[in-house]
Amino acid sequence: DTGVSQNPRHKITKRGQNVTFRCDPISEHNRLYWYRQTLGQGPEFLTYFQNEAQLEKSRLLSDRFSAERPKGSFSTLEIQRTEQGDSAMYLCASSLGTGLAGGTYEQYFGPGTRLTVT
Amino acid sequence: AQSVTQPDIHITVSEGASLELRCNYSYGATPYLFWYVQSPGQGLQLLLKYFSGDTLVQGIKGFEAEFKRSQSSFNLRKPSVHWSDAAEYFCAVAPRMDSSYKLIFGSGTRLLVRP
Repeated sequence: DTGVSQNPRHKITKRGQNVTFRCDPISEHNRLYWYRQTLGQGPEFLTYFQNEAQLEKSRLLSDRFSAERPKGSFSTLEIQRTEQGDSAMYLCASSLGTGLAGGTYEQYFGPGTRLTVT
Repeated sequence: AQSVTQPDIHITVSEGASLELRCNYSYGATPYLFWYVQSPGQGLQLLLKYFSGDTLVQGIKGFEAEFKRSQSSFNLRKPSVHWSDAAEYFCAVAPRMDSSYKLIFGSGTRLLVRP
């Protein structure tokens, strides 16, 4: 168990550019979550996957955002035409959700990708 | 409206003193309850969780939390704080009726430790 990893750790981009972040969850975890955290706030839910299916998207996830999890392993989060308001820490978490009463609901977080849009 | 409230933005304690961080939630049914800690440059680390059963739960690093249904609270405690405990602490909930189990976080409490 190597934990959740995220790349890159930091990204500086100019307004209007596209960026893509990657998350590698804990290998046996079937659920993967994306959150966004702005300065002085707690993380806010963006979207989640169960295996390769994206099951829920927050209203925070505008049309410029897209997430994928091909083959149910790693996930990518792409932001198109970045805006200064997109500057934040993007956090990925994974969990083992069986959907049964015995499932666990603990989410394990990666270190995050800090995005700065200039 | 559903919410998680951490009323203290900052708390400063002396090393060796006791600590209590407050968390209140507003949900129709008791959600799953969590405390996470975030150190600079690090991801969120789970300290402890409450799903059901004993209302006093033990976590890692000497932390404990008590669930009080009547007060809709889940306060985090530690009897003796160490300098390494300085970090940001987040209370989070996952509504039981929401099959996504997505976490809803409070705004956090920053803990400063005086030597």
